[in-house]
Formats: sequence, structure tokens, C-alpha cells
Amino acid sequence: QVQLQESGPGLVKPSQTLSLTCTVSGGSISSGGYFWSWIRQPAGQALEWIGRLYTSGTTDYNASLKSRVTISLDTSKNHFSLELSSVTAADTAVYYCARAPPYYGLDVWGQGTTVTVSS
Amino acid sequence: EIVLTQSPGTLSLSPGERATLSCRASQSVSRNYLAWYQQKPGQAPRLLIYGISSRATGIPDRFSGSGSGTDFTLTISRLEPEDFAVYYCHQYGGSQTFGQGTKVEIK
Repeated sequence: QVQLQESGPGLVKPSQTLSLTCTVSGGSISSGGYFWSWIRQPAGQALEWIGRLYTSGTTDYNASLKSRVTISLDTSKNHFSLELSSVTAADTAVYYCARAPPYYGLDVWGQGTTVTVSS
Repeated sequence: EIVLTQSPGTLSLSPGERATLSCRASQSVSRNYLAWYQQKPGQAPRLLIYGISSRATGIPDRFSGSGSGTDFTLTISRLEPEDFAVYYCHQYGGSQTFGQGTKVEIK
């Protein structure tokens, strides 16, 4: 069965770019017509959708983050990535990657990775 | 952006009781793209319901979803000890949003 695993730095300095990778195992990222998504959750708060990428390369982003977010796909490494630029303390959160079949919800999630923005 | 408002914020119930959670959208959710998730401390959310009322794979039938348009409900018919958690609704019809969550706690 498909599993997702986030990886990347746990500490990022203010104004820098946060970069995370989600590695997909147990299946090919380029098959099945799935959406590959990023979601985040500040400590003790609700979930926030960041954006998603379709296997064709089409992307959708949260309007409030759109100017700072890039989600990309690397089929050779079977992973997809998140870049969030110009980070501030407000970007401190647990970041999750997840898979969404068309018409479905987010059915497979990574375990999450904590990112702290601090100097 | 569609705002999802969940109520109540906290639900205090005993095992065996029925739980009814509400999710209200600021505008109609397109194509019935409304899901519910369960999240326990330190864990990723788990998909329970998609398309308003379809149970995800492996989800027990004590979980059911209903509603239409802007008003949606997640019902847990008889609470089991493992059901005490936080529940989120999620609309995925366009620019996606989540509700703020309802915590179901043991009374």
C-alpha cells in the first residue's frame, strides 16, 4: 500500500525559504491520476490546506499563500516538494503531505514533520 | 473562500452515547466535495467520510455523514473508547478549506 514520508529541515530562519519533500513508496507517483497535496497545522490549531499538484503538473494553491508557494513533482525520485518563501514565525507548524484521488478526500497522509521558523 | 464553521467546539459524552457534529459552510459546497477526518494527538488525520456520506475504506459503519448544500453532519452512532478525538470537516470543491474542529471528549 502507498505510504508517504515528509523530510526536510526542522528549523528555518525568518525570511528564508522552507523546503520539504514528500517521498512516495508502494506505488508510482505518476500513475493513477492522483492529486498530491500539502497541509499544515500550527500547534494546537486547525488544519490549513496549502496546495496540490496533479500528476499532469497542474497546481492549485491557497490564495492566501499563493505568492510564496511552489509545489513540484520529481517522477524520477518518486517524490513531490513544497517550497514556501519569505517565511515568518507564523509559518511554524507541522507540515503534512497527502494523496487525494479525484472526487475523494485526502486518503493517505504522511506522519507530518515539524518546522520551526526562528533565528 | 468557503469558510467552514464547526459546532460545538467540544462535545462531552460517555462511551456508548451518540455523537452529532455539525459543519456549516459560508456558501454551497460544490459537487458534494465534503469530507470528515478524525485526528488523535500526535497523529495525522484519518479520512472517515468523503462525498458527504461515503465511508472511506475500513471505516466502521457507526460513522455516518449526511447533509447538503451548506449544512453537514457527522454522526457516530455509539461512541467507542477509540473515538474520542478531534474531528475536522473539509471542503475540496475548489480552493480547499477545513473547519476549526470539534473535540469529542470523555464525560
